[in-house]
Amino acid sequence: GENVEQHPSTLSVQEGDSAVIKCTYSDSASNYFPWYKQELGKGPQLIIDIRSNVGEKKDQRIAVTLNKTAKHFSLHITETQPEDSAVYFCAASKNYGQNFVFGPGTRLSVLP
Amino acid sequence: GAVVSQHPSWVICKSGTSVKIECRSLDFQATTMFWYRQFPKQSLMLMATSNEGSKATYEQGVEKDKFLINHASLTLSTLTVTSAHPEDSSFYICSARDAGRETQYFGPGTRLLVL
Repeated sequence: GENVEQHPSTLSVQEGDSAVIKCTYSDSASNYFPWYKQELGKGPQLIIDIRSNVGEKKDQRIAVTLNKTAKHFSLHITETQPEDSAVYFCAASKNYGQNFVFGPGTRLSVLP
Repeated sequence: GAVVSQHPSWVICKSGTSVKIECRSLDFQATTMFWYRQFPKQSLMLMATSNEGSKATYEQGVEKDKFLINHASLTLSTLTVTSAHPEDSSFYICSARDAGRETQYFGPGTRLLVL
């Protein structure tokens, strides 16, 4: 079955710097890759997603890139702010929104 | 748009009692809902997939008689933890699949503490 790895497990950056989180997946049939942000005590919030027919997607300060050949995708956050501090989860799916396999998460701390 | 609610947000109960958690999609219809369990500082573990009008599909190792799931309408799924024990204490999160967006939106979670 699908296996999703995520690195780093923790990441600290200075406010205003960029943060990059990388995920790799094992099943080449996966075609949908969302990223979720989870704040303490809350449910995950979808922040950006990408489908296998696209290599890059951007939404303001957040971007995601996908390399299907290497089977990895990355989350890029620019101009980080303290409110970006949270746990970020990547996921992979073969059925567009069904059967998500999540990565273990990255705890991002943005230092003021 | 794409709001999913959960109720209650937290519950404390005695060992042996049953607890029902509701998950609702507020502004879209969800033919499929999912129930996850999350332990502190860990990732989300899928417990079961709930399809409207049919029996839920449980992941390996999840007891279907202990975690009863009902998906009676396109906007409501319920998870009942029967005869709860302290080891069932956890953060339970539901999600609903928006067929139009082909993605899952998560509820705010329910924290269960069994004494």
